Amino acid sequence: TQLLEQSPQFLSIQEGENLTVYCNSSSVFSSLQWYRQEPGEGPVLLVTVVTGGEVKKLKRLTFQFGDARKDSSLHITAAQTGDTGLYLCAGVRRGNEKLTFGTGTRLTIIP
Amino acid sequence: DAGITQSPRHKVTETGTPVTLRCHQTENHRYMYWYRQDPGHGLRLIHYSYGVKDTDKGEVSDGYSVSRSKTEDFLLTLESATSSQTSVYFCAISNRFEVGYTFGSGTRLTVV
Repeated sequence: TQLLEQSPQFLSIQEGENLTVYCNSSSVFSSLQWYRQEPGEGPVLLVTVVTGGEVKKLKRLTFQFGDARKDSSLHITAAQTGDTGLYLCAGVRRGNEKLTFGTGTRLTIIP
Repeated sequence: DAGITQSPRHKVTETGTPVTLRCHQTENHRYMYWYRQDPGHGLRLIHYSYGVKDTDKGEVSDGYSVSRSKTEDFLLTLESATSSQTSVYFCAISNRFEVGYTFGSGTRLTVV
């Protein structure tokens, strides 16, 4: 059983469209992180959210941490081909020194 | 300056042979981690270190050992490689794990 479930698993949309990917759990996290991974490379940290209800924006990307700190979402506005990649959420549970990774969402933006 | 480098980037080895992967950092970060990434399983923690000579097991540690004799180096050893250990291995570093990790570029290991 995965601690962090991401949906959808795969998403393919046209350039210019908007999209949202989700990261859900039944556990509470003290912080939650989002990474993007491109083929042949390691994941790269996009953002960390630590407060329930927190919203962070990174250009066209908006990240939200759920009020109960059990879930998060990533919204991309006007998707570009450069957004293509594997998006991973990862959480830290209180008292734990390790990240738990989600199952990932593979995003493809079609020109 | 990558801050974290993994070596080798690619390796093919035979079943039953020992293999050592190296992770080197120049950031002086306290925490270092080894993950493997496989289709359908995502990133799974093998072992991690929270200081020199301080290591602990992750969720998939069987068949692997680690050593950290210096802050900058974290070695992952497959004692006797098996085909099920064919994977992409990532090292990660962090000074504050709750803030985020920096990952290396990975080592693609094939056991034949």
